[in-house]
Amino acid sequence: DAGVIQSPRHEVTEMGQEVTLRCKLISGHNSLFWYRQTMMRGLELLIYFNNNVPIDDSGMPEDRFSAKMPNASFSTLKIQPSEPRDSAVYFCASREWTSGVSGETQYFGPGTRLLVL
Amino acid sequence: QKEVEQNSGPLSVPEGAIASLNCTYSDRVSQSFFWYRQYSGKSPELIMSIYSNGDKEDGRFTAQLNKASQYVSLLIRDSQPSDSATYLCAVVLNAGNNRKLIWGLGTSLAVNP
Repeated sequence: DAGVIQSPRHEVTEMGQEVTLRCKLISGHNSLFWYRQTMMRGLELLIYFNNNVPIDDSGMPEDRFSAKMPNASFSTLKIQPSEPRDSAVYFCASREWTSGVSGETQYFGPGTRLLVL
Repeated sequence: QKEVEQNSGPLSVPEGAIASLNCTYSDRVSQSFFWYRQYSGKSPELIMSIYSNGDKEDGRFTAQLNKASQYVSLLIRDSQPSDSATYLCAVVLNAGNNRKLIWGLGTSLAVNP
């Protein structure tokens, strides 16, 4: 089975431009997480969805960031306008959420390395 | 106070030694704990999960959980240079319908040949 798919893998853009990151979940999974990773702050949860519904967006930095999940297998994270401090690696992770403690394992995509100049 | 704490390292051990990685957490009701490994430039990958007090062994890896003391550790026996990576501890934060992982900053491990 294919794992989590993210695109693009690398993105270099100029300050003020719109950036759209894309993620495809593992087939059969029903939760999707967007993370940002930097050396200083580590892995930060931005937002996550269960069954296409946003559950927790408390990590979204500000209104410049938005995320959507138009169907059960696909999500986008948009930054508009982008700023140099948005430079980071953005990971998408997928989970087959079930009740009970064992339904928490997350599987990560390869990440998108974003550089905003 | 950060909810999940790890020593940043780097932790340096010789090949063949035991590497011991530690993690403490603040949420007393957490029930699920995970260790992920992240190689430089790659994404995190799950290596161990543990839910009950005590030890859980998987090959060269042993996870240890002590809920009373709120710590979880990872032991790597017979360390190999290929174990050199950053190890991330993650704890489930459970608030009703909101169940998410809280992550430590990671411990960098270097295994020297």
